[in-house]
Amino acid sequence: QVQLEESGGGVVQPGGSLRLSCVASGFTFSNYGMRWVRQAPGKGLEWVAFIWYNGINKYYADSVKGRFTISRDNSKNVLYLEIKSLKPDDTAVYYCAKDGGAFGIDSWGQGTLVTVSS
Amino acid sequence: QTVVTQEPSFSVSPGGTVTLTCGLSSGSVSTGYYPSWCQQTPGQAPRTLIYNTSTRSSGIPGRFSGSILGNKAALTITGAQADDESDYYCVLYMGSGVWVFGGGTRLTVL
Repeated sequence: QVQLEESGGGVVQPGGSLRLSCVASGFTFSNYGMRWVRQAPGKGLEWVAFIWYNGINKYYADSVKGRFTISRDNSKNVLYLEIKSLKPDDTAVYYCAKDGGAFGIDSWGQGTLVTVSS
Repeated sequence: QTVVTQEPSFSVSPGGTVTLTCGLSSGSVSTGYYPSWCQQTPGQAPRTLIYNTSTRSSGIPGRFSGSILGNKAALTITGAQADDESDYYCVLYMGSGVWVFGGGTRLTVL
């Protein structure tokens, strides 16, 4: 059974940094691309970043390019999202998600809340 | 910048059929965008219902189906049930590792 467990969220001041983690289990992590998707309070879903199964290629939404870095450690089955220069607009629940083939997502984590506030 | 469009809200009667759509601000949605549909109830994580236009995710009942209708992707719910009352999001693959979600449709079953 696929499980994705995010952690690392919290309250951060504007301009601060944070690293989110997503521990994966129940599947061969190194075989699948992974994504981060976020949802601001009361708003819709927004794709944030995608990383290939082997970590070689990474892609970002224009809204986070240059401030967010997606990475993974296939030896530990962990996906990361490093966030710098945080803005209030980055306040959101951040979900990690597993690729299911044909550019779709087949599993989602429960999310971790990041609040950017002074 | 490309915007993915969805109806903000829709309602359906219990047992009825409803079709939600997913379009583009410019151009047509085709299978080449690999449209997916996600369902989310308040306070819960999303779950994927449909991917690759019409393939149901594991465990998703057959009353959910996906297709291309005209120039849009479509999600049809046949025999709507009370617990189908949720937010529904489509997401399109734009190429080069980039996805864009639609704004979501809030479905009411009443």
